[in-house]
Amino acid sequence: GEQVEQLPSILRVQEGSSASINCSYEDSASNYFPWYKQEPGENPKLIIDIRSNMERKQIQELIVLLDKKAKRFSLHITDTQPGDSAMYFCAASPNTGYQNFYFGKGTSLTVIP
Amino acid sequence: EAGVTQSPRYAVLQEGQAVSFWCDPISGHDTLYWYQQPRDQGPQLLVYFRDEAVIDNSQLPSDRFSAVRPKGTNSTLKIQSAKQGDTATYLCASSPGLGAETLYFGSGTRLTVL
Repeated sequence: GEQVEQLPSILRVQEGSSASINCSYEDSASNYFPWYKQEPGENPKLIIDIRSNMERKQIQELIVLLDKKAKRFSLHITDTQPGDSAMYFCAASPNTGYQNFYFGKGTSLTVIP
Repeated sequence: EAGVTQSPRYAVLQEGQAVSFWCDPISGHDTLYWYQQPRDQGPQLLVYFRDEAVIDNSQLPSDRFSAVRPKGTNSTLKIQSAKQGDTATYLCASSPGLGAETLYFGSGTRLTVL
């Protein structure tokens, strides 16, 4: 199956600065790339996603970039707030009808007030 | 709309014991996934169903794990003889199905095998 690598595993930033998380994948058939946020004791929740026909997508302070040639995608959180502290997971999904989702190992983000 | 419901929330076992996890997906979602999430790691797919049919169970340790979804609604994941390495959170997720991409996760069952 698909392999998704996610870096860094731990990220600490000052409140108000930007945070960036990078993911890479192997399967060129992957065409859908969601990002999930998981707070302690909670289930993962979708925060933003991007499809292979796009290079950039922004929802408020969240920006995702996709470089299909390099098989890389990234999440950028601008103007971070303490409420952004959580685990973040990237995922890749090859569209084979009923889709499977392959997750990265996660990034623990801490926003320091 | 009710979310994905899982039970129990926690389970603590000795090695060799059996345990079952139960999942009730969102009504109308025909695709159901079971993921294993070890501590501080990402979810790793064990098995997923479309209705009652298994689509992919290649990552399910078949000698000790089994999963069923007999009526295409609720699902049960069973570990026959638990090992310490099975310690993890077991997440169930559902999706509306073909062409739909968002996974809706349940709260998970946190399993500790002593």
